[in-house]
Amino acid sequence: GAGVSQSPRYKVAKRGQDVALRCDPISGHVSLFWYQQALGQGPEFLTYFQNEAQLDKSGLPSDRFFAERPEGSVSTLKIQRTQQEDSAVYLCASSFGTWTSGTDTQYFGPGTRLTVL
Amino acid sequence: SQQGEEDPQALSIQEGENATMNCSYKTSINNLQWYRQNSGRGLVHLILIRSNEREKHSGRLRVTLDTSKKSSSLLITASRAADTASYFCATDALTGNQFYFGTGTSLTVIP
Repeated sequence: GAGVSQSPRYKVAKRGQDVALRCDPISGHVSLFWYQQALGQGPEFLTYFQNEAQLDKSGLPSDRFFAERPEGSVSTLKIQRTQQEDSAVYLCASSFGTWTSGTDTQYFGPGTRLTVL
Repeated sequence: SQQGEEDPQALSIQEGENATMNCSYKTSINNLQWYRQNSGRGLVHLILIRSNEREKHSGRLRVTLDTSKKSSSLLITASRAADTASYFCATDALTGNQFYFGTGTSLTVIP
């Protein structure tokens, strides 16, 4: 596709519900990132995929957060038993090559704004 | 926790003026990148500077990097109203795949 797309753009969940956020990266991009951006803050790294392999999940805040990219393209970020502190914008980014020394440009999607009531 | 901090947090200037924002980071890096984010949208890559570079230009953008001080600056010359956005620096980890963004500078350019 022309760019990174994310769906839904907005999600409202009741506390305790599970949510699934989708990311469609640019076709052919090897690397895929998920970030969490709280209001007025910069994005915080959550996890990194190289093709279908999740090479780094050190930023996931708890075991309620789970991400997958089973076929090396589309990725899903799942949050179980959502809490109010999970309210944020979730950004997905992809880059062309493997993520080596931060030399690649990341292309960001518009994000999914999650509000947990 | 975030790697970098931008300064100032907010900046308001008149169209045509130059805007300078600074970024400080905590640990050694391979590269530093600057991104722009318009309200309610994703981030757009502006420029990358490598750790062995001191200065880089791209159009109206000028970036400097001082690895001894662990700091970088972004200068936007002859600002335009369309430059109104939040600007973030981002650094990689020497090892691992993390990519750290700063807290951002909110720039307002008044027409």
